[in-house]
Amino acid sequence: EVQLVESGGGLVQPGRSLRLSCAASGFTFDDYAMHWVRQAPGKGLEWVSVISWNSGSIGYADSVKGRFTISRDNAKNSLYLQMNSLRAEDTALYYCAKDITRYGDPYTPNFDYWGQGTLVTVSS
Amino acid sequence: SYELTQPPSVSVSPGQTASITCSGDKLGDKYACWYQQKPGQSPVLVIYQDSKRPSGIPERISGSNSGNTVTLTISGTQAMDEADYYCQAWDSSTVVFGGGTKLTVL
Repeated sequence: EVQLVESGGGLVQPGRSLRLSCAASGFTFDDYAMHWVRQAPGKGLEWVSVISWNSGSIGYADSVKGRFTISRDNAKNSLYLQMNSLRAEDTALYYCAKDITRYGDPYTPNFDYWGQGTLVTVSS
Repeated sequence: SYELTQPPSVSVSPGQTASITCSGDKLGDKYACWYQQKPGQSPVLVIYQDSKRPSGIPERISGSNSGNTVTLTISGTQAMDEADYYCQAWDSSTVVFGGGTKLTVL
C-alpha cells in the first residue's frame, strides 16, 4: 500500500524557516517524480514544487522561487521542502504528492497518491 | 501566467448527470486531469490524460477534452459525489490547478 506521510509543519513567525519532510513507502520511491502542493485554509490547490526521480530536474512556482528548496533522499525514501523567509501567505496545508508515471516528465504530472498534509501557519 | 477557469459551483439532483467544465487557452493541446476532494480529506485523482480512469474510479465518472475546455461528467450522480473538484494541467514547466468547483447534490 502506498503511503505518504508529511511532517515538520507548525507555527512559525514571518521571516523564519521551516523544513517539511515526506516519508514514502509502498512503492519504488526513486522511480517517480515527487511534488509539493499546498492548500490555504478554505482555498484551492496550489502547486509548489517538483523534483524528478533522480533530482536532475527541479521546478518551483513563482510564488516560492528563491525562498523554498526541494530535495529528496532516495536511500531514505524521503522528500523534503526547506522553506525560508516565510510569509503570512505561505500559511497552508502542505501535501506531498506522487506522479502516476514511472520515470515520467516531472512537468506533466498526474498525482495518483497524496499524503494527509502538514499544516504550516506563519504568524507573529 | 496560465490560468484554468472553473465555475465556483454546480448543483445536480440525485440520479442526474453533472458536468463540470474547465477552460484555458489552448487546453485542447494539453492533457488535463481531475481531482475530487471531500471535506477534511486529501484530493483523489478521478480522471487523468483527459479521459482515463485510475483503478477504483467508477465508470459513471468520465472526462473529455475539446477545444479550450475539458469537462468532467458524472452520470447517475449520488450523494457520495458531493465534493470539490479541481482540474489540473501544465504550462511552461508549471503545474496549474483550476480554482475548484463545489458540486452539490440536492
